[in-house]
Amino acid sequence: EVQLVESGGGLVQPGRSMKLSCAASGFTFSSFPMAWVRQAPTKGLEWVATISTSGGSTYYRDSVKGRFTISRDNAKSTLYLQMNSLRSEDTATYYCTRITIAARDYWGQGVMVTVSS
Amino acid sequence: DIAITQSPSSVAVSVGETVTLSCKSSQSLLYSENQKDYLGWYQQKPGQTPKPLIYWATNRHTGVPDRFTGSGSGTDFTLIISSVQAEDLADYYCEQYFVYPWTFGGGTKLELK
Repeated sequence: EVQLVESGGGLVQPGRSMKLSCAASGFTFSSFPMAWVRQAPTKGLEWVATISTSGGSTYYRDSVKGRFTISRDNAKSTLYLQMNSLRSEDTATYYCTRITIAARDYWGQGVMVTVSS
Repeated sequence: DIAITQSPSSVAVSVGETVTLSCKSSQSLLYSENQKDYLGWYQQKPGQTPKPLIYWATNRHTGVPDRFTGSGSGTDFTLIISSVQAEDLADYYCEQYFVYPWTFGGGTKLELK
């Protein structure tokens, strides 16, 4: 059974950093591109970043470019999102998603990040 | 960036009715080399994680009931839910994965009349 389990969220002050993790199981992690999607409270879905199978290619939405870094450790079957210089508008639930030819076929349960002083 | 517009923003239906949700793209999502439209649909029930419904505009993910039908090509797409069930009440999002940045529509909320 495919499972994606996010961790690392919580309350953080503006300007500080936080690192999210997504532990994958039930499939060959190294064979799939992965991505992060977020959802601000009561708002819609927003793509954040995508990483290729090897980690050699990464893509970011403009509003997080230069502040967020997506990475992966295929040996540990884990996806990461390092978030620096956090802003109040980064407050959201962050979902880890698996990417296939069928777009996003599995989602984690999400982890909440609250940026507030 | 490709803009995705969903309509209506909300719709109220009775159990058993058929409802049509619209998703329009500012650019064609059709890849000429494989004739696939890079458009997906997702269902999100209150307090839950989004669930994949449709990929390549018309293909159901495994386990999705056949009352969910995706159609359209190019820039205009629809999700038809036939014989709506109470369990179908949710937010529905479409997303283009043709070019980066991948973009979601604003969603359609399906409510009970």
